[in-house]
Amino acid sequence: DAMVIQNPRYQVTQFGKPVTLSCSQTLNHNVMYWYQQKSSQAPKLLFHYYDKDFNNEADTPDNFQSRRPNTSFCFLDIRSPGLGDAAMYLCATSRDGLAGGKETQYFGPGTRLLVL
Amino acid sequence: AQSVTQPDIHITVSEGASLELRCNYSYGATPYLFWYVQSPGQGLQLLLKYFSGDTLVQGIKGFEAEFKRSQSSFNLRKPSVHWSDAAEYFCAVGARAAGNKLTFGGGTRVLVKP
Repeated sequence: DAMVIQNPRYQVTQFGKPVTLSCSQTLNHNVMYWYQQKSSQAPKLLFHYYDKDFNNEADTPDNFQSRRPNTSFCFLDIRSPGLGDAAMYLCATSRDGLAGGKETQYFGPGTRLLVL
Repeated sequence: AQSVTQPDIHITVSEGASLELRCNYSYGATPYLFWYVQSPGQGLQLLLKYFSGDTLVQGIKGFEAEFKRSQSSFNLRKPSVHWSDAAEYFCAVGARAAGNKLTFGGGTRVLVKP
C-alpha cells in the first residue's frame, strides 16, 4: 500500500544532542510537510517542501532544519534539542500543492521525541 | 488569516449514542474544510472534506459533516458511536495560498463509555 512512513516511531535523545527524524513516502507526492504536535494540541506546521523548494514558517526556530534529498525522503534535523522540543513530529504529503488548499494531506504515524 | 475554533475540548459519549463535534471557522472566502481523526499515538487520518456543492458530506467510518455558511460552521456527526471512535478529532481549513497549508483547530478529544 502507498503510504507515509516515519522512522523511528520513538526517539530518545539528550539535551543538546543533535537528532534526525526520517520520513519516506511511496505516494510520489510533490509536497512534504513537517508538523510539531505537543500534547493535547493541534499540529503546528514547521516547514514544507514544494518539490525542492523549502518553505519555512516564520515562527519555526532556527534549531529546526530539514533536508529533502529526493522525492521520497525528507528529514527533520534538530540541532540542539531542548526540553521544550519534546513532542510528536508528524510528516505529511500532498500531491502537488497546486489545488489552492483543496488537497488532502496524508500523514505518517509520527515520531514521538523524548528529550532527557 | 484563517482560523478554526473547536469549542469542545473533551466530549464523553456512551457507545451507541449519537455524536456531534462543533467546528467554527473564520475565512474571507469560500473555505476548504476538512475533518481529521487521530487515534492515540497515531498520525492523522482524513475523515471527510468539503470544497463546494452539497453541504452535507459523507465520510469514512460512518461520519458526516454539514457546512453552514451562515453560521461559519462545519460540524461533524455520527449517528451511533462505537468504542473504536475514541480519538482526537481535528477540524481544519485549507489555505488557497501556495503550499496547500492547513490551519487546524485545537481538537476535541472523544471518550466513549461502555
